[in-house]
Amino acid sequence: AQTVTQSQPEMSVQEAETVTLSCTYDTSENNYYLFWYKQPPSRQMILVIRQEAYKQQNATENRFSVNFQKAAKSFSLKISDSQLGDTAMYFCAFTASGAGSYQLTFGKGTKLSVIP
Amino acid sequence: SQTIHQWPATLVQPVGSPLSLECTVEGTSNPNLYWYRQAAGRGLQLLFYSVGIGQISSEVPQNLSASRPQDRQFILSSKKLLLSDSGFYLCAWSGSASNQPQHFGDGTRLSIL
Repeated sequence: AQTVTQSQPEMSVQEAETVTLSCTYDTSENNYYLFWYKQPPSRQMILVIRQEAYKQQNATENRFSVNFQKAAKSFSLKISDSQLGDTAMYFCAFTASGAGSYQLTFGKGTKLSVIP
Repeated sequence: SQTIHQWPATLVQPVGSPLSLECTVEGTSNPNLYWYRQAAGRGLQLLFYSVGIGQISSEVPQNLSASRPQDRQFILSSKKLLLSDSGFYLCAWSGSASNQPQHFGDGTRLSIL
């Protein structure tokens, strides 16, 4: 079974600064996908970024980037130039590759507050 | 573009009453559909997923059930709600291929009294 651990229940960052959210996972699979989702106070779950395990290059989406360390089973999210709208819960999620793999395993989340 | 609609946004129900939450997807065919529950301060727990009409897989035993009467319609039901059913319920869809990212609806806040 896969597990996803987010060790930081809460974090805060000054507006315009950079913050890194941690995520580690445990799996015996070799091929899999990792995701970061954002859940603002409105509660809508929004996909932020996605990483395929077979790709060595770290995924980036505008101000969001990941540091994927496959050997260490680590998948951290870096938010650059933090904005007030980044205030949200952030969830790391994992899904195994291969036919019939549908389940997303989520971490418990990190509550990020961006301070003006 | 694809959109997902989930309703109602909030629901207050007495213990023992029935439940029906509905989710529909537009702009895509043969999506995979999912129901999640999010308890306060926790991540998401997958309850059911469906890869086609009438095909439902349950991940967690409970007094809830799911149905998929049409390709883009997914319904979460219960005959008798329990206090422990309170929570935030999210519907999601993904492409039919494995490992596609899941896209979520706005959720339903369910409170059981």
